[in-house]
Amino acid sequence: EDKVVQSPLSLVVHEGDTVTLNCSYEVTNFRSLLWYKQEKKAPTFLFMLTSSGIEKKSGRLSSILDKKELFSILNITATQTGDSAIYLCAVRSGAGGTSYGKLTFGQGTILTVHP
Amino acid sequence: GAVVSQHPSWVICKSGTSVKIECRSLDFQATTMFWYRQFPKQSLMLMATSNEGSKATYEQGVEKDKFLINHASLTLSTLTVTSAHPEDSSFYICSARNSGNEQFFGPGTRLTVL
Repeated sequence: EDKVVQSPLSLVVHEGDTVTLNCSYEVTNFRSLLWYKQEKKAPTFLFMLTSSGIEKKSGRLSSILDKKELFSILNITATQTGDSAIYLCAVRSGAGGTSYGKLTFGQGTILTVHP
Repeated sequence: GAVVSQHPSWVICKSGTSVKIECRSLDFQATTMFWYRQFPKQSLMLMATSNEGSKATYEQGVEKDKFLINHASLTLSTLTVTSAHPEDSSFYICSARNSGNEQFFGPGTRLTVL
């Protein structure tokens, strides 16, 4: 059974702090790892990672994948109160070709940023 | 960008009734749509994969007779919760996949069963 585990489950920081969120996985036929930010409603896409060691960056957020050790991290620097959300990691797995595969979500990390 | 809508946003119903939730891809065709449910402070759990014109594929532990999925067109999938009970109360989210294999999420539907 595919498994995605995130840590920590919950994190409380002050504005300006840097946070690192972790995602480890055990899946059959890994295809990609995705990070999402979920506020009140549906998740919004942040990054998709397919190759090890290549950092993806968007503003204060960055992410990297280690396919040998089977984990990814999401970094947020200079956190702001608007970063408060649930951060979800998901792994797409399954056979390639025309098959879409399956998306398995981790349990999420609840980030709270205090002013 | 690609937009996925869900209707209704929030529904309250009595125990024993059936509720239908619609998921639409507004500006692209989606041959595949996915239905998830999410309990408070928990992650998204895939319920089923819906392919246009064919039967949905349900995840282990999801009752196909209770959660009826219909994907009659390339832009619409529906999830019907039949004979709803309070334990079915949850946040139901759909997503749709475009031809580029990108997946876009709907805003979700909060179901409360009294």
